[in-house]
Amino acid sequence: QKEVEQDPGPLSVPEGAIVSLNCTYSNSAFQYFMWYRQYSRKGPELLMYTYSSGNKEDGRFTAQVDKSSKYISLFIRDSQPSDSATYLCAMTRTGGFKTIFGAGTRLFVKA
Amino acid sequence: GAGVSQSPRYKVAKRGQDVALRCDPISGHVSLFWYQQALGQGPEFLTYFQNEAQLDKSGLPSDRFFAERPEGSVSTLKIQRTQQEDSAVYLCASSPPRADTQYFGPGTRLTVL
Repeated sequence: QKEVEQDPGPLSVPEGAIVSLNCTYSNSAFQYFMWYRQYSRKGPELLMYTYSSGNKEDGRFTAQVDKSSKYISLFIRDSQPSDSATYLCAMTRTGGFKTIFGAGTRLFVKA
Repeated sequence: GAGVSQSPRYKVAKRGQDVALRCDPISGHVSLFWYQQALGQGPEFLTYFQNEAQLDKSGLPSDRFFAERPEGSVSTLKIQRTQQEDSAVYLCASSPPRADTQYFGPGTRLTVL
């Protein structure tokens, strides 16, 4: 079993929809949680960074961490065709530098 | 400012050849990471440098893989006697001091025939 599980999709939604992406993990030592966006043939780009449990909002993006359930989510409001990409969750232990990534969810937003 | 750059962007190698992949991190970034990303998968950690010191190489798949960062800036990932299973995108990332966020380069796509 992988340390981080993420549904690979693809997920297809109409423009303007609210998108919900999520990951589960097994290692309770993870304290730092990230979401990256990766366009085709590009490197991952950091979207959201959260420490421990709670919510964080940045524009149309909201990240949630529930450490008791070992579950993290990324919500995208008013989705746009330009949001079409692969979304990767990632996490790191306190004091660690080895970042563990999920497999990524491919998102398609149709105009 | 300039981001992380990697070269070459694409590399085709015959099985058994040696390859060298280069990473130029963002100026001033002390931490440097290498990842391997197979098709349809997330990046897998290979190795980590803090300045010129290689602090973790636990993710290197075999002793055919070797990474160095001799002057604490540019890094090279070398793969000896390439095999077909080495075909993947190799990503480099760097982080500034006292930060956990990583900035990724565009990757080098390696195809071993």
